[in-house]
Amino acid sequence: AQSVTQLDSQVPVFEEAPVELRCNYSSSVSVYLFWYVQYPNQGLQLLLKYLSGSTLVKGINGFEAEFNKSQTSFHLRKPSVHISDTAEYFCAVSETDSWGKFQFGAGTQVVVTP
Amino acid sequence: DGGITQSPKYLFRKEGQNVTLSCEQNLNHDAMYWYRQDPGQGLRLIYYSQIVNDFQKGDIAEGYSVSREKKESFPLTVTSAQKNPTAFYLCASSFPGLAGSIEQFFGPGTRLTVL
Repeated sequence: AQSVTQLDSQVPVFEEAPVELRCNYSSSVSVYLFWYVQYPNQGLQLLLKYLSGSTLVKGINGFEAEFNKSQTSFHLRKPSVHISDTAEYFCAVSETDSWGKFQFGAGTQVVVTP
Repeated sequence: DGGITQSPKYLFRKEGQNVTLSCEQNLNHDAMYWYRQDPGQGLRLIYYSQIVNDFQKGDIAEGYSVSREKKESFPLTVTSAQKNPTAFYLCASSFPGLAGSIEQFFGPGTRLTVL
């Protein structure tokens, strides 16, 4: 069975500083990987996804993530954050044979301050 | 515009009452999902449906029921058997059979409060 661990429950960061959100997964088969963002009282919005190919994936709003198969990780990064990046971020994994069923991490709350 | 709608946005119910949350999508997606979100616990899968007239229990199905009579609709009923129903409920859909398009699309959510 698949599982996802987001290593930080909350990450405080200053505006224009870089941020990294860590995500590790466990699975016995090949996986697809995703990062979503959630603003307060809203649904989730897809930031980026890894399906195959290049391990460095670029997404919306300047975010990127790198798939590391040997370390079973999919960390999310942004070189310079804005106040508007304050939100909760979720990592998700879907096994390639699971017909679209996802497992989500517990989430990382990012708080950007001036 | 294509998307997923959930209604109502806020819902209050008294203990012992059943309540139904609506989820409609016009994305022509085959699969639909219901999640429950509690602070610090991420999203937990309640039920999912891969095709019309078929659905499966997720990780926390006890106290919930669903139906999938139409492709675009997947209502969730929170029954009086659900011990702690106060939560934020999210509906999602996807087209898992389309290569490169497996991601789930989410509705805006319904916040249920039991009084």
